[in-house]
Formats: sequence, structure tokens, C-alpha cells
Amino acid sequence: AQKITQTQPGMFVQEKEAVTLDCTYDTSDQSYGLFWYKQPSSGEMIFLIYQGSYDEQNATEGRYSLNFQKARKSANLVISASQLGDSAMYFCAMREGTGSARQLTFGSGTQLTVLP
Amino acid sequence: GAGVSQSPSNKVTEKGKDVELRCDPISGHTALYWYRQSLGQGLEFLIYFQGNSAPDKSGLPSDRFSAERTGGSVSTLTIQRTQQEDSAVYLCASSLNNRDRGRATGNTIYFGEGSWLTVV
Repeated sequence: AQKITQTQPGMFVQEKEAVTLDCTYDTSDQSYGLFWYKQPSSGEMIFLIYQGSYDEQNATEGRYSLNFQKARKSANLVISASQLGDSAMYFCAMREGTGSARQLTFGSGTQLTVLP
Repeated sequence: GAGVSQSPSNKVTEKGKDVELRCDPISGHTALYWYRQSLGQGLEFLIYFQGNSAPDKSGLPSDRFSAERTGGSVSTLTIQRTQQEDSAVYLCASSLNNRDRGRATGNTIYFGEGSWLTVV
């Protein structure tokens, strides 16, 4: 079974609108971390936001927020007030376990295009 | 430097040659990762180093691939007898090794800009 599933290969959003990128995960660990990364066409991987499994509140970082629904095992990324520069590939990732910085498992990504 | 540094940024090599890719992690980061990303694909885990522990090599695709990390800092990924299917971006990342306390800083994994490898 896929550990990280991103069901939207491509998404379009109008500039200044909000958009939600879906991510579901599968783990039997009680403690895990969820990450979102942005990869523009230049290829660099840019960290956006992190949610720990024990965090009671949804993570927020500027225009990014993570809609964390633990029972549903979903960690959707919400981008508010989209900008043209937000056009990029977005990856959801999970790190399982605590006490050591284990590997990240990535989803297949969602290509977001912001329309003017 | 402030971020993860990788070299070379681009490498074109002939099939059958060996290549070495270098990664200089963020100072103080004890965990180091190598990932591979083929064109238009997601990231594929290759290998993970944590301090002085034995590395997790479970993602290496074949015995042509190897990596070492000297002095707990710089890492080199070596691909022997390169094949065309090895063409990809090789991404290095590093992080601190902190317990999960709900704080992003200790758990964030930072990536370098990658080494683009083309095997012709």
C-alpha cells in the first residue's frame, strides 16, 4: 500500500483564490511527522510546513496551512490568496517514528498552476 | 554555508563510466539523506546516514550504487558503470536529530539544489 497518496496530479487555481491540495497517508506508528514541500521548475525542494502527529492545532506558516484530520489520515495543504509564483509541483511527505530523523516517504506530487 | 551544498550541479557522463556526487550538509546536522528524482517523478529514497550509526541502505537500487559519509559531515554518492536509466536528479538533504516535540525546527529536512546526472 502507498504510504503517501496525492490523488491530484494537476490543479488549477485563479490568482488570489485559495486552493487545497490533498494528501492522505498510511502508517501504524503513533508518532509521525507530515511535511509539505514545493518544487518549482528550477528543481529545488523548498520546505513549506510541518505537522507533528501529536500537535493539537493545525500548522500554519503565512499563506500556508495544513488541514490535519488524524482520524481520516489526511493532511491537506491549503494555500490562501494564490500568487503566480505559487505555480510549482507540491509534494506531501511523511516521516515515521521518533527519536531519530528517519527517511521521508514522498507522494507522487501535485502540479499546481496559478492562472492570472 | 547556510544550506545544503551539492556538487557538481550538472554532470554528463558516458555509459559505463563511474561518477561521484558530493553533498555538504548544513553544519550541525547529524542526519543526511540521498534521494533520486527521475524526470517528472516523485522522490525515491536511496540511503540515510545518522551520526555514527550504520547507514540505512535499503533504497539503493543496485550494487553499483554506494555512499559514504566521512567524519559525520560530507557525503559522497558513487555510481559505478553508469547506465542510461541512472539519469536523474540526485538530491541530498540533511536534518537535526531531535525528538518530536511538535516543533518544526528540529524535524525539518532541508534539501540541496541537486546534482543533475545525464548518462549518454
